[in-house]
Amino acid sequence: DTEVTQTPKHLVMGMTNKKSLKCEQHMGHRAMYWYKQKAKKPPELMFVYSYEKLSINESVPSRFSPECPNSSLLNLHLHALQPEDSALYLCASSRIQGYSNQPQHFGDGTRLSIL
Amino acid sequence: DAKTTQPNSMESNEEEPVHLPCNHSTISGTDYIHWYRQLPSQGPEYVIHGLTSNVNNRMASLAIAEDRKSSTLILHRATLRDAAVYYCILRATNTGNQFYFGTGTSLTVIP
Repeated sequence: DTEVTQTPKHLVMGMTNKKSLKCEQHMGHRAMYWYKQKAKKPPELMFVYSYEKLSINESVPSRFSPECPNSSLLNLHLHALQPEDSALYLCASSRIQGYSNQPQHFGDGTRLSIL
Repeated sequence: DAKTTQPNSMESNEEEPVHLPCNHSTISGTDYIHWYRQLPSQGPEYVIHGLTSNVNNRMASLAIAEDRKSSTLILHRATLRDAAVYYCILRATNTGNQFYFGTGTSLTVIP
């Protein structure tokens, strides 16, 4: 069982819909991450939050809007997505950001399909 | 950016040791070497990490070359549950210590 919980597990949406992905952890971690993973490819970093503030945006299109309402929760708001945005979206957390000996804990992801 | 090179795929017989290699010739002195694995339909799972010395934990061992330009993840007795994609990652100070995944090695375990 993973300690990072992502909901929903699967999401199908049209290109004009607005939806949100949710990620939750109760390990007291203060860094949280969003990754995108296409089929048979490695995960790609999208956003990093440190102490509830956005610290890294890897040039992600504005149709993806992250939010960190508190230290346990991370959301990814989706609007006007394109079919190429269909992928597995992974959330991760670590104790703090910026220390290279810190492991990250990953959730099992939300599989997103854009019609 | 510090990068890693891994074989695309490897096979192992069940209950035999597996040595998964990784090259990271551009590693710098403060970069940690992390290994994760991803089982089908799951998120990546932490396996082990190290800096200079060899490391052991309940899942695996990590052997780091003396010049740190390569490392090897050792699974002592492969089981069918070890079939996964194994990622060798450099957590590099010049990239803000973020995880930039390489292409990984897909391990097949043969019964």
